[in-house]
Amino acid sequence: DTEVTQTPKHLVMGMTNKKSLKCEQHMGHRAMYWYKQKAKKPPELMFVYSYEKLSINESVPSRFSPECPNSSLLNLHLHALQPEDSALYLCASSLGAAGAYTGELFFGEGSRLTVL
Amino acid sequence: TQLLEQSPQFLSIQEGENLTVYCNSSSVFSSLQWYRQEPGEGPVLLVTVVTGGEVKKLKRLTFQFGDARKDSSLHITAAQPGDTGLYLCAGGGGTSYGKLTFGQGTILTVHP
Repeated sequence: DTEVTQTPKHLVMGMTNKKSLKCEQHMGHRAMYWYKQKAKKPPELMFVYSYEKLSINESVPSRFSPECPNSSLLNLHLHALQPEDSALYLCASSLGAAGAYTGELFFGEGSRLTVL
Repeated sequence: TQLLEQSPQFLSIQEGENLTVYCNSSSVFSSLQWYRQEPGEGPVLLVTVVTGGEVKKLKRLTFQFGDARKDSSLHITAAQPGDTGLYLCAGGGGTSYGKLTFGQGTILTVHP
């Protein structure tokens, strides 16, 4: 069983909707990540939080807004998305903060997003 | 920008065959991780190698890290249908401070 929990598992939304993806981990990890993954492709990094502060934003459009309320929770707020944003959104965590040695990632099962 | 070239992209084999997946870069990484992802799930870490020349075994899977820490390979002996999935190599450290560099992935299908 994964120790990173993502909800919801599936989400369908229209282009004018506002929704949120949620991620939770209780492993004491200090770094948390959002990745976007298209079918049969590797995950693409979107955001990294280190010690609850945003440390990396991979030039993600502002219609995606991350939030880290505390060390165990990570949210991704979605607004005015486009159909091409349909993908699997993966949350991950790692023990250490970002550094020269990047920690091993523990992924959640993902949230499958469909934008109509 | 660091790149990891993973090959082959697709592999379709019969149960019992052996296979090798390669991950190559012109950059040095401080660590190299291998993940497996099954349909509808997130990637799961298989192994991390950190020392040049390191070899690690996980049952029928053998992982190698090149001496110069620029390349890695995954060898599966006597593949089984349960090995089917997307295999990802990911490099850590180097100039990509704070994030992993993923290879393009290898989609492995093992037919019974």
